[in-house]
Amino acid sequence: EAGVAQSPRYKIIEKRQSVAFWCNPISGHATLYWYQQILGQGPKLLIQFQNNGVVDDSQLPKDRFSAERLKGVDSTLKIQPAKLEDSAVYLCASSLDVRAYEQYFGPGTRLTVT
Amino acid sequence: GIQVEQSPPDLILQEGANSTLRCNFSDSVNNLQWFHQNPWGQLINLFYIPSGTKQNGRLSATTVATERYSLLYISSSQTTDSGVYFCAASKGGTASKLTFGTGTRLQVTL
Repeated sequence: EAGVAQSPRYKIIEKRQSVAFWCNPISGHATLYWYQQILGQGPKLLIQFQNNGVVDDSQLPKDRFSAERLKGVDSTLKIQPAKLEDSAVYLCASSLDVRAYEQYFGPGTRLTVT
Repeated sequence: GIQVEQSPPDLILQEGANSTLRCNFSDSVNNLQWFHQNPWGQLINLFYIPSGTKQNGRLSATTVATERYSLLYISSSQTTDSGVYFCAASKGGTASKLTFGTGTRLQVTL
């Protein structure tokens, strides 16, 4: 069974530029999560989707971050404009649904903002 | 929300030694997972263990839900066990987002 796929794996941009990350969850998984992991810390949830609806985006900085999961499968996370403090690893995870709790993580995208 | 604390923050072991990592959580949970983050940043699922005991090779985990803690045991440690170990918990359902602890950084030396 294929795992969670993410791309790109690495991205370097200048502040005020925009960037987008892509995630393809495990086939059949209805719930998709985006986490942000700053160096030296544990991952922190940014947004959670159930199919193509948002369940929790309370920690998403909505003035600059946006995410969508239009067909209930793939998802994209966008930052516009980027700030230095957005440098982090962005992790995508999926689970079968909100009642099946085990989450599986992708390899992450390491973003450096200069 | 749930608070998750891990100890110790850092651990250095000689190859072959055993260790115990602890995770305390502040509320009842429906999900408790242990992860190993390797040097490339990949989070690898070790255990899904909201209660009870599980074993997988040299690793085992125990969660005592009534006392709100979980333990991860590593026996006969190897250099490939090095990395950061995270405990994460959630209440499940619409509150299924995982809250992570700050991790235990393990270094296994020859």
